[in-house]
Amino acid sequence: AQSVTQLDSHVSVSEGTPVLLRCNYSSSYSPSLFWYVQHPNKGLQLLLKYTSAATLVKGINGFEAEFKKSETSFHLTKPSAHMSDAAEYFCVVRAWGGDDKIIFGKGTRLHILP
Amino acid sequence: EAGVAQSPRYKIIEKRQSVAFWCNPISGHATLYWYQQILGQGPKLLIQFQNNGVVDDSQLPKDRFSAERLKGVDSTLKIQPAKLEDSAVYLCASSTRDVGLAITDTQYFGPGTRLTVL
Repeated sequence: AQSVTQLDSHVSVSEGTPVLLRCNYSSSYSPSLFWYVQHPNKGLQLLLKYTSAATLVKGINGFEAEFKKSETSFHLTKPSAHMSDAAEYFCVVRAWGGDDKIIFGKGTRLHILP
Repeated sequence: EAGVAQSPRYKIIEKRQSVAFWCNPISGHATLYWYQQILGQGPKLLIQFQNNGVVDDSQLPKDRFSAERLKGVDSTLKIQPAKLEDSAVYLCASSTRDVGLAITDTQYFGPGTRLTVL
């Protein structure tokens, strides 16, 4: 079975400062991990995904995430926040083989302060 | 390319009534998903189709929810009868599987249907 925990329900950063959204997962099998973003009244959009090719994954809009197996983490980062980054972010785990389930985290609301 | 289409965008019904949602996936996508997203929570997978067959419906409340994808293209999700706790956004997503050394399966989401049960 797999699970995913987003450690912060809300994160506030000032515009131009770094962003860190934390995600921990558990999985009995080698997982695929995703980050999705949801802007108000808009659909979910894929930011990036990890599928065992490279541990450091680059996504859209300057976001990246690093898969750390020893820490079972897949934290999302961005060097410099922009006002347009204000949204809800979801970490997603999917394990291939055995009990194939897609599990979304509860989400982290990112607030950008001017 | 056109994205995932859903209708209606909004629906308000009274408890014990029935409601149906429609989804048209991206052309050529064999896999279709229905999710329920309750306010303040992450989406929960209700059912996953591969073409017109069900892959996973373990979290679908089968006493009141049903879904079909008869021709392997568009899909409908029905609730009958609705309860207050069914108030949520219902999301449809589709994907096409690229199987190689590592399985990549990116889901593309529709805008969702916001259901309010009074």
